[in-house]
Parts: sequence; structure tokens; C-alpha cells
Amino acid sequence: QVQLVESGGGVVQPGRSLRLSCAASGFTFSSYAMHWVRQAPGKGLEWVAVISYDGGDKYYADSVKGRFTISRDNYEKTVYLQMNSLRAEDTAVYYCAKDYDQLLFIMDVWGKGTTVTVFS
Amino acid sequence: QSALTQPASVSGSPGQSITISCTGTSSDIGGYNYVSWYQQHPGRAPKLMIYDVTKRPSGVSNRFSGSKSDNTASLTISGLQAEDEADYYCSSYTSSSTLVFGGGTKLTVL
Repeated sequence: QVQLVESGGGVVQPGRSLRLSCAASGFTFSSYAMHWVRQAPGKGLEWVAVISYDGGDKYYADSVKGRFTISRDNYEKTVYLQMNSLRAEDTAVYYCAKDYDQLLFIMDVWGKGTTVTVFS
Repeated sequence: QSALTQPASVSGSPGQSITISCTGTSSDIGGYNYVSWYQQHPGRAPKLMIYDVTKRPSGVSNRFSGSKSDNTASLTISGLQAEDEADYYCSSYTSSSTLVFGGGTKLTVL
């Protein structure tokens, strides 16, 4: 079945870096855009970034632009989120989500999330 | 990009209908028919319920329906059931080629 599994979360100090991974299975990964969405404790959803099916287009939320980088490896069926210069406000559960098609900004499959805590 | 505006909470009794509103601007909801709605139960990942304002993914009950007028989108749930109790989020594509979510609405089934 279609599945997304995130990993790489943890506790990190402010200013440090972390890389999240999302392994996909059960669908033709190379045909779909992929998103990262986060949810701070007790708060709502916040869209973070999207990457097109071939990696040629990437878009970011203003809150992470210049600090986070989304990338993908279609051979490994994995999407990544490199997070640099982390801040306390980046503390959240980070979800990986599959786009309904190619950059439609509709997320039809979600992973269970990985938790990032930025704490000094 | 500011979050879309949703009521913090709504409630209804089993069998009733409720509507959740989602207000944006001409740069997001008003400019595109790319509004989606997500349901999230506590401790779970979100689930897509409505996309492109009115469309339902396969497997989603026809008790869920969406609409839009100008800068405001709405989600209506008819024949409320206990399992509908959850948080609901709207989202919209924006003119900056990004996505914006609403603040979320907690639905309580009385």
C-alpha cells in the first residue's frame, strides 16, 4: 500500500542543523511532487516546502526560506528536508506528504510524522 | 503569508449539519479554485477530505461537501456522526506559489 515513513527527528540546540528523510513506497515516487508540513505542539498545520516530481521546482514558506532546503532522490524514493540555523519556533512534528499530482498543492497521502525539538 | 481565518470551534448533535468557514483574500482563496480541507484526529496525521473546492477523494463520505464564494470557502458536514469529531483545516494555493492553511476548527459532536 501507499506509505510514507519519516525519520531523522530529534532534540537539537538552537543554531544547529538536522536532516529529515521520508521514504516512500507503494506508488511511482518519481511522478509526484512531495511536501513537508509541520505542526507545533498544540498548534495548527503549517506548510513548509514542496519539491516537484523531478526536483526542478522548489517552493518554501517565508518562515523557513534561506534556512531549509528540500531535495529528493527518485532512485532511493526518498525526499529530504535539510534544516539549518534551527530556532525554538521550529519545534514541531514534521509530516511528509505526497502531492495529488504534479505540484497541485493537494496532499493526499501523509506520513505519521517525526518530531523535532529545538531546545537549549 | 497570513493564515486563513477559521472559527476556533463548532459543535453539533448527531444527525445535524454543520458548516465551517475559511476566509482568505483575493491572493489565495478568491484567486484560485484550489481549496482543500483536511480532517485530523488527535495524535493522527491529517486526512484529505475535499480538494479543488468541491471534489471528494475516493473513500470519503458524501456527507462531506465543499463550496466557495468570493474569498470564503466552506466545509459542510451533514448527518453528523461521533467519528466526525476532529480538527478540520482548510488550505489554499497562493499567488506566491505557496500553500497557506487555516488556523483549524475543532468540531465537537454533542
